[in-house]
Amino acid sequence: GAGVSQSPSNKVTEKGKDVELRCDPISGHTALYWYRQRLGQGLEFLIYFQGNSAPDKSGLPSDRFSAERTGESVSTLTIQRTQQEDSAVYLCASSTRTSGYNEQFFGPGTRLTVL
Amino acid sequence: GNSVTQMEGPVTLSEEAFLTINCTYTATGYPSLFWYVQYPGEGLQLLLKATKADDKGSNKGFEATYRKETTSFHLEKGSVQVSDSAVYFCALSGSGANSKLTFGKGITLSVRP
Repeated sequence: GAGVSQSPSNKVTEKGKDVELRCDPISGHTALYWYRQRLGQGLEFLIYFQGNSAPDKSGLPSDRFSAERTGESVSTLTIQRTQQEDSAVYLCASSTRTSGYNEQFFGPGTRLTVL
Repeated sequence: GNSVTQMEGPVTLSEEAFLTINCTYTATGYPSLFWYVQYPGEGLQLLLKATKADDKGSNKGFEATYRKETTSFHLEKGSVQVSDSAVYFCALSGSGANSKLTFGKGITLSVRP
């Protein structure tokens, strides 16, 4: 079956512009995570959605970052007024539930470059 | 807060060599521990996991044992292959509500024929 998909795969933008990244989770997965990987660093948690519950936004680095998810479907991560330090690979993951650990399946990522 | 520390890389080995990649962690409660792998051009995928102390995770010839006394989860393989060349990430999932993963920085393994 289809895995987690993300688009675009690469995005180059100018400083100050807004960008929107998309994640399509595996069908039936109620939990969805966004992570960021900056060069030479591990993945950093950004935000988590579980069904219709309020999202856990504790990892968002600034108020320029926001994310939405409708039900258990697609999620979009928006970065407003991009800065050069936002350059990173943004990864999305989904899993079936969160009581106890369930394997997170990762998408291929979106490589964002802010010039 | 939770943190994961991996040994510095990159690591280059000859085929059939023994591999150890060190990983230690700091966490409250009883975390679950994981190794993820990213092969060239592919997405991140789970390699193995252990959910409680003394558990051994294993997959594709790789093993790691959850050592609570030393807060470690070192990855080992007895005989590496060229196809094992990839980036390896150690990670933990805390006992909190959302099971978010905390990752180490990752280490690049290159295996030469």
